[in-house]
Amino acid sequence: QVQLVESGGGVVQPGGSLRLSCAASGFTFSSYGMHWVRQAPGKGLEWVAFIRYDGSNKYYADSVKGRFTISRDNSKNTLYLQMNSLRAEDTAVYYCAKDLTGANWFDPWGQGTLVTVSS
Amino acid sequence: AIQLTQSPSSLSASVGDRVTITCRASQGISSALAWYQQKPGKAPKLLIYDASSLESGVPSRFSGSGSGTDFTLTISSLQPEDFATYYCQQFNSYLRTLTFGGGTKVEIK
Repeated sequence: QVQLVESGGGVVQPGGSLRLSCAASGFTFSSYGMHWVRQAPGKGLEWVAFIRYDGSNKYYADSVKGRFTISRDNSKNTLYLQMNSLRAEDTAVYYCAKDLTGANWFDPWGQGTLVTVSS
Repeated sequence: AIQLTQSPSSLSASVGDRVTITCRASQGISSALAWYQQKPGKAPKLLIYDASSLESGVPSRFSGSGSGTDFTLTISSLQPEDFATYYCQQFNSYLRTLTFGGGTKVEIK
């Protein structure tokens, strides 16, 4: 079955960087767009970024544009999120999610990885 | 950016109740709306997409309706496993943005 496993979360100081990974299995990774979505503690969901199946198009939420970069390695079935210039408000659980047949719906989601930005 | 407003933000209901959650978009989005269920400490799960299409494996007591600016998620007979938070989500192909509603927490009465 489809499985998405995030890793790379942790505690980082404001202004620091972190790279998240999402290992995919159970489907043809290179055929699907992928998303990152985050959820601050006790808050709602916020879409972060999307990358097309072949990496040719990438879209970002305004809140992360210019600071975060989404990428993928189809040979390794892995999605990435490079996060630079981190702020306290970036503290959240970060989920990767598979795009539902190009429709920009998220299905399924990984279990999430927690990023804490604090001094 | 398109805003999604869910109501109510929380509700209390009993097993067997019919529950309705509303999601209003700040401008017309045709049928480009999905609904997700999230249980505490877990990742969200897709229930409904394209406003009214039931995702595979989701019980038929869940249904979605609406188009344009007003949408509804209905649970026809609430079950113990349905107590959770529900989110609507839209995709705007022109603006290349995706947004979520604020969520509706369904609690046990």
